[in-house]
Amino acid sequence: LAKTTQPISMDSYEGQEVNITCSHNNIATNDYITWYQQFPSQGPRFIIQGYKTKVTNEVASLFIPADRKSSTLSLPRVSLSDTAVYYCLVGNNAGNMLTFGGGTRLMVKP
Amino acid sequence: GAGVSQSPRYKVAKRGQDVALRCDPISGHVSLFWYQQALGQGPEFLTYFQNEAQLDKSGLPSDRFFAERPEGSVSTLKIQRTQQEDSAVYLCASSLARGNNEQFFGPGTRLTVL
Repeated sequence: LAKTTQPISMDSYEGQEVNITCSHNNIATNDYITWYQQFPSQGPRFIIQGYKTKVTNEVASLFIPADRKSSTLSLPRVSLSDTAVYYCLVGNNAGNMLTFGGGTRLMVKP
Repeated sequence: GAGVSQSPRYKVAKRGQDVALRCDPISGHVSLFWYQQALGQGPEFLTYFQNEAQLDKSGLPSDRFFAERPEGSVSTLKIQRTQQEDSAVYLCASSLARGNNEQFFGPGTRLTVL
């Protein structure tokens, strides 16, 4: 399973765009990149998944460069309620378990 | 619709006591997973079921941990002779099918062993 590296924490302010970058240098050809969000006292929640280039949904965008050795989760115009831990995961869809790293603790300030 | 539910939400046990944690997955979800999350860390895989079959239990930390899903729906994680190091949040997740990276998590059971 490819190992991921992401910042331990980030601070932002309401209304700003937040970009969280994850490094996954040994990503395999058939691996996907998936991001989960976790609020205190809740289980993680799926945000977005991608394989290459750009994926966008109603919550976030995911940018993946051509070499796929990193990815960036972009949260547009964050609000206080986006304060959470964000996990970057790499794995193929034929797998079963999810492998979480330490995640990035995002703190959104007023 | 209803999501994944877990009970109890909080459990305090004395060291040496047996505990049983319940998970009700989303109806129709074939795959069910258990994870352990220590304070300040990401969840770590414990075990995986596809319907009633336990296909992977490589993450169970010791033989004191046992999980079952006898009818392919509700699952129970049992910990025998609890130790202080078992204190953690135990998360259950389900997904529609194997090979689907979108897993739906319950709120977890916070276990504290005194």
